[in-house]
Amino acid sequence: DTAVSQTPKYLVTQMGNDKSIKCEQNLGHDTMYWYKQDSKKFLKIMFSYNNKELIINETVPNRFSPKSPDKAHLNLHINSLELGDSAVYFCASSQDIRDEQFFGPGTRLTVL
Amino acid sequence: AQSVTQLDSQVPVFEEAPVELRCNYSSSVSVYLFWYVQYPNQGLQLLLKYLSGSTLVKGINGFEAEFNKSQTSFHLRKPSVHISDTAEYFCAVIGSNTGNQFYFGTGTSLTVIP
Repeated sequence: DTAVSQTPKYLVTQMGNDKSIKCEQNLGHDTMYWYKQDSKKFLKIMFSYNNKELIINETVPNRFSPKSPDKAHLNLHINSLELGDSAVYFCASSQDIRDEQFFGPGTRLTVL
Repeated sequence: AQSVTQLDSQVPVFEEAPVELRCNYSSSVSVYLFWYVQYPNQGLQLLLKYLSGSTLVKGINGFEAEFNKSQTSFHLRKPSVHISDTAEYFCAVIGSNTGNQFYFGTGTSLTVIP
């Protein structure tokens, strides 16, 4: 059973489009996260949700918005995609913000 | 200010040789430290973590790390590496000076040479 899953695994799209990446965890964790990993492997936290409340909101463009329909899901919506949005996006979850995080397999986004 | 620093971006090492990957963090009253590994085209997996107690922490795949408060370091070591250890390694910290936020270092790419 996959603990943290993401769909799609690959996403290729044109500039200006709107897209979503879905994330689900079956670990019963209370906190979920979205990270962006650039071509140099640098990981940047974008958002985290705890019990459906945003508790970290880094300085990411407001074109990015997290949506959490329930504790097990944290989807990432991106509007008006730009070339610089091309990266691998990882979802993660943890029981508490101070606990180890479990990562999904990543979604490679390519904006043309 | 960066909360965690990985001094080496790339570390090549021969198979069966020992390796040390360095990690330093900003001083904090209380801190939790982690090492994660990322194999090619995969997500991150936890190798080991320090929360409290013994300063020598043993993890999976024969890795260990030592928490050194005076030097604010948490270096990762393995006495004998295998080809399969080739991966990206990330040190991470959460503590009172990070606003209870989780910060990753910039990563160290370990390449094991046959």
